[in-house]
Amino acid sequence: DARVTQTPRHKVTEMGQEVTMRCQPILGHNTVFWYRQTMMQGLELLAYFRNRAPLDDSGMPKDRFSAEMPDATLATLKIQPSEPRDSAVYFCASAPGTVNTEAFFGQGTRLTVV
Amino acid sequence: DQQVKQNSPSLSVQEGRISILNCDYTNSMFDYFLWYKKYPAEGPTFLISISSIKDKNEDGRFTVFLNKSAKHLSLHIVPSQPGDSAVYFCAATGGYQKVTFGIGTKLQVIP
Repeated sequence: DARVTQTPRHKVTEMGQEVTMRCQPILGHNTVFWYRQTMMQGLELLAYFRNRAPLDDSGMPKDRFSAEMPDATLATLKIQPSEPRDSAVYFCASAPGTVNTEAFFGQGTRLTVV
Repeated sequence: DQQVKQNSPSLSVQEGRISILNCDYTNSMFDYFLWYKKYPAEGPTFLISISSIKDKNEDGRFTVFLNKSAKHLSLHIVPSQPGDSAVYFCAATGGYQKVTFGIGTKLQVIP
């Protein structure tokens, strides 16, 4: 049963702390996305990778967010330092990489920064 | 600047009736459109898509219509079922462009 796996599912942290969210894309998918869901903006694209190379990270606040793919089975999204306005649900998704295909989403990480 | 707009935040429909969810886009480079469904505490799941070379795509109870001149698409669910109650996201992309999502419409199907 192929699925995108995200850890942790929930994270509560204090303002100023570093947060790392992890994603295991579906095996064989070479495009990986990070989205953030908020009430006002819906699903915002933060960054995406193709064949582990970052293609677009214009949606990320560069001073505090970073996204990497250390290998084909792991994508990470880090926030340092975290702020209360970062509280949201963060989704990772993967796609086979060809043009115009649907993405498969993980269950998300619900982040609360207090 | 919302390039994909879902202007109705919520919709209530009686079971058995038609649900119509609307979506407008502004970027004329978009040529492929998708609908995703999302249940609480889960990630979005793909529902149906349409290419700009078509004006209609059907999959069971779900039909998506595309009006390119109006930059408008709609998702029709007939007949609506209580299990269809979810948030529906419209999304659009063009070539290798990133996929842009709308803010979603929450559908409630009343038994």
